[in-house]
Amino acid sequence: GDSVTQMEGPVTLSEEACLTINCTYTATGYPSLFWYVQYPGEGLQLLLKATKADDKGSNKGFEATYRKETTSFHLEKGSVQVSDSAVYFCALSEIAGGTSYGKLTFGQGTILTVHP
Amino acid sequence: GAGVSQSPSNKVTEKGKDVELRCDPISGHTALYWYRQSLGQGLEFLIYFQGNSAPDKSGLPSDRFSAERTGGSVSTLTIQRTQQEDSAVYLCASSLYLSPYEQYFGPGTRLTVT
Repeated sequence: GDSVTQMEGPVTLSEEACLTINCTYTATGYPSLFWYVQYPGEGLQLLLKATKADDKGSNKGFEATYRKETTSFHLEKGSVQVSDSAVYFCALSEIAGGTSYGKLTFGQGTILTVHP
Repeated sequence: GAGVSQSPSNKVTEKGKDVELRCDPISGHTALYWYRQSLGQGLEFLIYFQGNSAPDKSGLPSDRFSAERTGGSVSTLTIQRTQQEDSAVYLCASSLYLSPYEQYFGPGTRLTVT
C-alpha cells in the first residue's frame, strides 16, 4: 500500500538557518503530494502541494519539488523564522486511472522548533 | 467564511460507553473525511464521503466504528463500546471535490477513554 516516510525529528534551528525536511513516498499509482503544517494550538492546514512530476510547490518561503525518479518531496526553506515553529506533515493522495482515491496518507510528522 | 467545525472539542468517556463526534463541513464542499491523530499511530485515514457515492470505509479500524453523513452535509462518527486505544484526536476535513483539491481541517475532537 501507499506510505510516506519523513525524516526523524524533532528539528531545532536558530532563526535564519536553512531548513530541509526529507520526505519519500511509496505509491502504486500516480500520487499528488502535499505538505501540511500544524501550528501550536491550531488545526492542520495545507502549506503547499504538487500534482505531477517536476512540479514545484511553494508558499510562505517554503518550497518542495515533486521528484518522481527519487520518489521524494523534500521541504526546504532558506531562512526560517521563530513563527515557523510547528509540526510539518508530508502526505500523498493517490490517483490511478484518472480516479482520485481521496484519502491522504501522512508521514509521521516532524516537529520544528526555531529559536531566536 | 466559516471553516470546518467539530463538536465536542473534548470528550472524556468511560471504557465501554458509546460516543458520537460531529463534523460540520464548509458549505458547498462535496467531500468529507475523518482522520485520527494519535501518539502511536500518527495521522490515520478513517473514512471519506464524496457526494452521493458509497463512502470509502477502508480506514475504519474495527466494526465498533461507523460514520454517516446526512443530507450531504453534517457527519457523525460513532464509536461503540469505546476502548482505551480509541483515545486520540479525531479530525474532520472537507474539500470542494476529492483530492488533490485542498482538504480543510477542523480543530478536532480530543477523545479520552478512561
